[in-house]
Amino acid sequence: DQQVKQNSPSLSVQEGRISILNCDYTNSMFDYFLWYKKYPAEGPTFLISISSIKDKNEDGRFTVFLNKSAKHLSLHIVPSQPGDSAVYFCAATQDGQNFVFGPGTRLSVLP
Amino acid sequence: DTGVSQNPRHKITKRGQNVTFRCDPISEHNRLYWYRQTLGQGPEFLTYFQNEAQLEKSRLLSDRFSAERPKGSFSTLEIQRTEQGDSAMYLCASSSDREPYNEQFFGPGTRLTVL
Repeated sequence: DQQVKQNSPSLSVQEGRISILNCDYTNSMFDYFLWYKKYPAEGPTFLISISSIKDKNEDGRFTVFLNKSAKHLSLHIVPSQPGDSAVYFCAATQDGQNFVFGPGTRLSVLP
Repeated sequence: DTGVSQNPRHKITKRGQNVTFRCDPISEHNRLYWYRQTLGQGPEFLTYFQNEAQLEKSRLLSDRFSAERPKGSFSTLEIQRTEQGDSAMYLCASSSDREPYNEQFFGPGTRLTVL
C-alpha cells in the first residue's frame, strides 16, 4: 500500500511558466513533508520542506503548499527553467526516522 | 566536506555471492539512512542509524541484509546470497539532528546488478 502517491509520472512545461507537481498521502500521522530533486546518476537533492503546522513554505522560485484535510501537497516552481528538468520526489515522515517517498514525477521544462 | 560518498558506484555480481557497500556520511551528521531504489520508484527506506545504534529496520530488510555503523562514522550494507531481485540502486543519506533536522543529504548511490 503506497502511503505517498505522485499520480503524474511526467509533466512538461514551457520555460517561464509555472510547474505544479502534486503529491497525496494516506497516513494522517505524517507531520513533515519534503521535496527532493534528482538528476540522472546523482542522489536526490533536498529542495524544500514543510511542517504540518504550516500550510505554505516559500524559498525563491519554489513554494510548497500543504492541505492537511485533503492529505495533499503541491510544489510550485515559478518561473520554470530548463535546469529544473529532473525527477521530483515527495517524501513524508512522522518520526524523522522512517521516510516514505513517492514514486516521483519527471519534469521536463521546454525552452 | 565533500558530502556523502558511496563505494563502489557500480557492482555486478553473480547470484548467490555476497556483496558489501560502504557509505561515508557528512562528518558532523549523526543520523545515517539506507534506501533502495528500483526503476520508476522512489527510494524505499531500509534502515536507520543514530550514531552507532541501528534504531529502525524496514520489513523489506530480509535476514540476508545486514548493516553496521561502527563508531558512528561510516556504514556498511552487506547482502548475503544475492538474488536477482536485489538488483537496484542502494542509496545512503545522512542528516543532523539539529533543526531542520529532517533534511537528508544523499550520496550518489551504488548500483547493484545481480546476474
